[in-house]
Amino acid sequence: DVKVTQSSRYLVKRTGEKVFLECVQDMDHENMFWYRQDPGLGLRLIYFSYDVKMKEKGDIPEGYSVSREKKERFSLILESASTNQTSMYLCASRPFGTYGTTSTDTQYFGPGTRLTVL
Amino acid sequence: AQKVTQAQTEISVVEKEDVTLDCVYETRDTTYYLFWYKQPPSGELVFLIRRNSFDEQNEISGRYSWNFQKSTSSFNFTITASQVVDSAVYFCALSEAGYSTLTFGKGTMLLVSP
Repeated sequence: DVKVTQSSRYLVKRTGEKVFLECVQDMDHENMFWYRQDPGLGLRLIYFSYDVKMKEKGDIPEGYSVSREKKERFSLILESASTNQTSMYLCASRPFGTYGTTSTDTQYFGPGTRLTVL
Repeated sequence: AQKVTQAQTEISVVEKEDVTLDCVYETRDTTYYLFWYKQPPSGELVFLIRRNSFDEQNEISGRYSWNFQKSTSSFNFTITASQVVDSAVYFCALSEAGYSTLTFGKGTMLLVSP
């Protein structure tokens, strides 16, 4: 089974702090993703990475950066946390390439980190 | 641009009722992929099904069934004889050919009461 883990389930930080959210997958997947989930807005893509040291902006990258130094690890960084970044953050991974015909080829999600910025 | 609409924000049913969750999508591609995920109160998204645009065959898995209709750009999800454990937020998602990312709908919260 694919396993995606996130470093914390709950995190409380103060405005202006630098925050690191870590995600690790154990299936040798090339693609990794960071989403934030807010009530009424669904999941929105922040950044994704298709290989080590490669990154692409998603729909809402402002205020965030990412790091992928190793294939299994994808970090989301809030350079200076703000209260409007209070949210649920979800990490996902999947194998390389675009979707093919395999019916189970999908994104696999971690348990999420609920971040509160005070 | 691709878009997924889940018009039902919240649905409440009583156990053993059947319930259908609607999903309408927009895409200019002829090849695309549709997904349903379940998010229980624990928070982790659980993959339920994936459907390819070139395969319109409907699917049944136990109490779950999916109705894919390209003519109406819909990919609806029906739970038969709902149970309390079905209470969750359900997301529909779309990926166009050539992309690895997913576009999600805003989700439908299903509450099944005993």
